[in-house]
Amino acid sequence: GESVGLHLPTLSVQEGDNSIINCAYSNSASDYFIWYKQESGKGPQFIIDIRSNMDKRQGQRVTVLLNKTVKHLSLQIAATQPGDSAVYFCAERLNSGYSTLTFGKGTMLLVSP
Amino acid sequence: DGGITQSPKYLFRKEGQNVTLSCEQNLNHDAMYWYRQDPGQGLRLIYYSQIVNDFQKGDIAEGYSVSREKKESFPLTVTSAQKNPTAFYLCASSAISSTDTQYFGPGTRLTVL
Repeated sequence: GESVGLHLPTLSVQEGDNSIINCAYSNSASDYFIWYKQESGKGPQFIIDIRSNMDKRQGQRVTVLLNKTVKHLSLQIAATQPGDSAVYFCAERLNSGYSTLTFGKGTMLLVSP
Repeated sequence: DGGITQSPKYLFRKEGQNVTLSCEQNLNHDAMYWYRQDPGQGLRLIYYSQIVNDFQKGDIAEGYSVSREKKESFPLTVTSAQKNPTAFYLCASSAISSTDTQYFGPGTRLTVL
């Protein structure tokens, strides 16, 4: 079946670098996307979301970019800190209106001091 | 202090036993969800409920059961029919809206002895 996927399972960066985590989605009908951060042994934490009628959305130190032409989603973290080390998941909602989310397997971000 | 609580944090079960995982939310959310997470895997949907006294099977419902007698509570029972129950279980809730952002609890780690 169609599912959300990630290009890189592990990303290692130095503190202060900018990080980019990528996600490919396969369903062109998906209309809503979310990025979550999950620290070891904890539940996922909402980071930022974006609707399909937008191509960019910014939060505090994070930016999500959506390219519907190639069905690609990315999360950019500016000035990455050791506390950003975690697994990052993207999720998509497959249809407009109420439906469940489909999650990718996640990317591990490792930030070295 | 609003949020989603899950208990217990760790749970051990002997083979052949049923166990019930608790999930409570005080966010006044209509929808609640149960996911299973295995190491290196994304989240897989077990059951979800959009309204009290109603729930639907997710992708991996076999061996699990739920109830939704109150808006704020959505307990999950892992039955003896679930052949591989050792996993990290996550509960989430969302308001039924155009965005449906799901917020997660801290999780319960279930280990079968």
